[in-house]
Amino acid sequence: SQTIHQWPATLVQPVGSPLSLECTVEGTSNPNLYWYRQAAGRGLQLLFYSVGIGQISSEVPQNLSASRPQDRQFILSSKKLLLSDSGFYLCAWRASSGYGELFFGEGSRLTVL
Amino acid sequence: SQQGEEDPQALSIQEGENATMNCSYKTSINNLQWYRQNSGRGLVHLILIRSNEREKHSGRLRVTLDTSKKSSSLLITASRAADTASYFCATDGVAGANNLFFGTGTRLTVIP
Repeated sequence: SQTIHQWPATLVQPVGSPLSLECTVEGTSNPNLYWYRQAAGRGLQLLFYSVGIGQISSEVPQNLSASRPQDRQFILSSKKLLLSDSGFYLCAWRASSGYGELFFGEGSRLTVL
Repeated sequence: SQQGEEDPQALSIQEGENATMNCSYKTSINNLQWYRQNSGRGLVHLILIRSNEREKHSGRLRVTLDTSKKSSSLLITASRAADTASYFCATDGVAGANNLFFGTGTRLTVIP
């Protein structure tokens, strides 16, 4: 069966520090991968998605970047965090057909102080 | 943007009652999906309805889709305290699109 792992679960970072959130998927190949951000009590904002290794699409201009160094690994990064980067970050995957349900990780809560 | 918008933003009902949540969206879709999120957790898929379908059932869930009005509804029958969560609709674009846009969610509280 397929599983998705996302870490770290919680982190507190100072403004200006770097960020790296990692997500890996098991049990499937060539998944579409997604990073979403959820502000407190709000909906999900799509940040990045990827249909293959090295292929990243960005939905919004921001202080973040994403990379897909391996088929089932998706990384969200920042060189210098801003206060506005605080939020709940969710990684998700779905089949490479591009339609169908998304499977989410448990999320990473980032607090920038 | 083709993001969905749920209505109401919050809903509080007694256990055993039915809960209805609505979703509106802006552009043509391939399908519409509903997800549930417990506080501080990831989202879990509940049901998917395709653009050529009008109604779909899964256990205590009933979803309707009206593409002419660009709207969908999620009905949870005989609610339980364990149904307390946030519910989101998400729209999948037409052929060629490859991402899923989520609405702002309805926070459902079921009082035991």
